[in-house]
Amino acid sequence: QSALTQPASVSGSPGQSITISCTGTRSDIGLYNFVSWFQQHPDKAPKLLIYDVTKRPSGISARFSGSKSGNTASLTISGLQAEDEADYYCSSYTNSVTWVFGGGTKLTVL
Amino acid sequence: EMQLVQSGAEVKKPGESLRISCEGSGYSFSSYYITWVRQMPGKGLEWVGRIDPGDSYTNYSPSFQGHVTISADKSISTAYLQWTSLKASDTAMYYCARHLDNTGYHDGFDIWGQGTPVTVSS
Repeated sequence: QSALTQPASVSGSPGQSITISCTGTRSDIGLYNFVSWFQQHPDKAPKLLIYDVTKRPSGISARFSGSKSGNTASLTISGLQAEDEADYYCSSYTNSVTWVFGGGTKLTVL
Repeated sequence: EMQLVQSGAEVKKPGESLRISCEGSGYSFSSYYITWVRQMPGKGLEWVGRIDPGDSYTNYSPSFQGHVTISADKSISTAYLQWTSLKASDTAMYYCARHLDNTGYHDGFDIWGQGTPVTVSS
């Protein structure tokens, strides 16, 4: 099972919006609406931001939103804040009854 | 408060065995799958496998199948990840995480342990 494909890095200025893509295949993202997004700050455990492609857990800011088109999912962060600087990972359920993560994207807030 | 608390840091030699743990509290441990995730130094997240603590049914990533074993003891709300013969390449942080739903209608890992660092070195 190959990892999902994410850009290695993205950047944006405070107040701007950025989008991180996550490309899979017809066996994972393209087949199920079970895409999640996680935020990981240095030396911290990952934190769930989005599940089921578009849903936010309780307590997660509405600045974070998710979407999907075909085999590609996307995470959009609006109104960038300094505290958003972190690594972001997508994941998806697959038709092999396994889960797969993306390679991760480092977000820099300029 | 719902949480997962993992066992402490481990330093082992190649060829040694190891079992690390993940204890759940604040919720019905048997009702939610537990997944294990590896993060090698400076690298991304990798899905290792998951267990249903209710019946101990497991699924593994092909990359880890045969090298690790996931188990659980629902009587003490604890899941385990174990190795019988460690390699230097097993050096990593290992996280456990709870699946937010077992019905098949929703999916995501909503509660994470703090991580257990494992170092394998001669």
